[in-house]
Amino acid sequence: AQSVTQPDIHITVSEGASLELRCNYSYGATPYLFWYVQSPGQGLQLLLKYFSGDTLVQGIKGFEAEFKRSQSSFNLRKPSVHWSDAAEYFCAVSHMEYGNKLVFGAGTILRVKS
Amino acid sequence: EPEVTQTPSHQVTQMGQEVILRCVPISNHLYFYWYRQILGQKVEFLVSFYNNEISEKSEIFDDQFSVERPDGSNFTLKIRSTKLEDSAMYFCASSGGLAGVNEQFFGPGTRLTVL
Repeated sequence: AQSVTQPDIHITVSEGASLELRCNYSYGATPYLFWYVQSPGQGLQLLLKYFSGDTLVQGIKGFEAEFKRSQSSFNLRKPSVHWSDAAEYFCAVSHMEYGNKLVFGAGTILRVKS
Repeated sequence: EPEVTQTPSHQVTQMGQEVILRCVPISNHLYFYWYRQILGQKVEFLVSFYNNEISEKSEIFDDQFSVERPDGSNFTLKIRSTKLEDSAMYFCASSGGLAGVNEQFFGPGTRLTVL
């Protein structure tokens, strides 16, 4: 079965520090990969996506993610975190072979301390 | 910028009542989805819809649930007889425009509270 693991439930970083959120997947084929962000009480905003090609993808708000096939990972990074980045981050995967539905990880709550 | 909209933003209902959650997908999209997120848990797929029929549904999407595209713009999720455990945030999504079928755009969600 397809699954997504985000091993960190909570992460706290200082403002200005770098950030890496981990995501691993288990899938029958190389899936399409996504990171979404959710602020409290809000909907899901797409940060970035990977379908194919260059394994380092750039997204909005200064985020980037790197696809590593050998590790089945798609970790999200940001070089310098801002207080407004505090939110919950979800990694998600899909593939047309599995009906194109998104399978989400459990999420990582990011806290930013000043 | 086009966006997915959902109404109402918050719905409170009594157990056993029927509710209809409404969504207006992005106008040139062809694929529609419902997901739900129980408080504190991950987002879960419920159903996908294409060409006026269900493409796929999860185990959660039992006979109490139904979806409909009653006209050219709305996409609805109906829960016939709500249970306490149906309390969740329900997200509508759509895809299939210029961004392609694989990128889903989400609405802001409807928070359903079943008392």
